[in-house]
Amino acid sequence: AQKVTQAQTEISVVEKEDVTLDCVYETRDTTYYLFWYKQPPSGELVFLIRRNSFDEQNEISGRYSWNFQKSTSSFNFTITASQVVDSAVYFCALSEANYGGSQGNLIFGKGTKLSVKP
Amino acid sequence: TAGITQAPTSQILAAGRSMTLRCTQDMRHNAMYWYRQDLGLGLRLIHYSNTAGTTGKGEVPDGYSVSRANTDDFPLTLASAVPSQTSVYFCASSPGLAGPYEQYFGPGTRLTVT
Repeated sequence: AQKVTQAQTEISVVEKEDVTLDCVYETRDTTYYLFWYKQPPSGELVFLIRRNSFDEQNEISGRYSWNFQKSTSSFNFTITASQVVDSAVYFCALSEANYGGSQGNLIFGKGTKLSVKP
Repeated sequence: TAGITQAPTSQILAAGRSMTLRCTQDMRHNAMYWYRQDLGLGLRLIHYSNTAGTTGKGEVPDGYSVSRANTDDFPLTLASAVPSQTSVYFCASSPGLAGPYEQYFGPGTRLTVT
C-alpha cells in the first residue's frame, strides 16, 4: 500500500530558527517520485521539489534543503533561518510510476502547518 | 500565462442540486486531475485523465463524474450534491504521458453544500 505520513500536524517557530518537516513514505515500488508542495494562507498549492527514487542526493535551494534517505523511507524538508513568509501548510507527496493506471497520481500526506512568528 | 483557471471561485449549493466545476489549462499538458481538500485529511484524488479522451477513478470518485473532450478542459460534475461534498476542490495538470511529473494546481473552488 502507498502511504505518506507527516507526523507533525503543526509546528511553531520564531523567525530565524531552523525547522525540519518530516515525511515518511510507504511504497512497494522500486521506482517512485517524491514531492513537496507549499500552501500559503492564500490557498494555492506551490510546487517545491520533485525527487526520483534513484537519486538520493540531498538538494539545497536557497534556505530550503531536502534530505532523502531510502533506508528510512524518509524525505525531510529543512528551512534554514525561517521567515514569516514561510508560514504555510507543507505537503509531502508520493507518486508511483504506474499507480492504478494513472501516469502519476499524487498521494499526499495530511500536511504540516508551519507558523513562523516574528 | 494563466496556467490553470477554475470557476467558480466559490459556490453555495443546495443539497440535491447538480453543479459543474470548470477547469481549463493553457499549458497543453496531457494529464489532468481533480482533488478535494478537507481539513485533517489533506488532498485526495477524485478523478484523473492521462490524456484527452480518457478518464480514470481516483481514491474518492463516488458522487462525481468527469469528462475530457479536449486537452485543455476537465470539468467535474456533481450530479446530486450532498453535504459531505462540502470541500475545496483543486484541479491540477502535469506535462507527461510517461512518468510522474510535478503537478501544477489551479486556485481552487470552495464549495459548500447546504
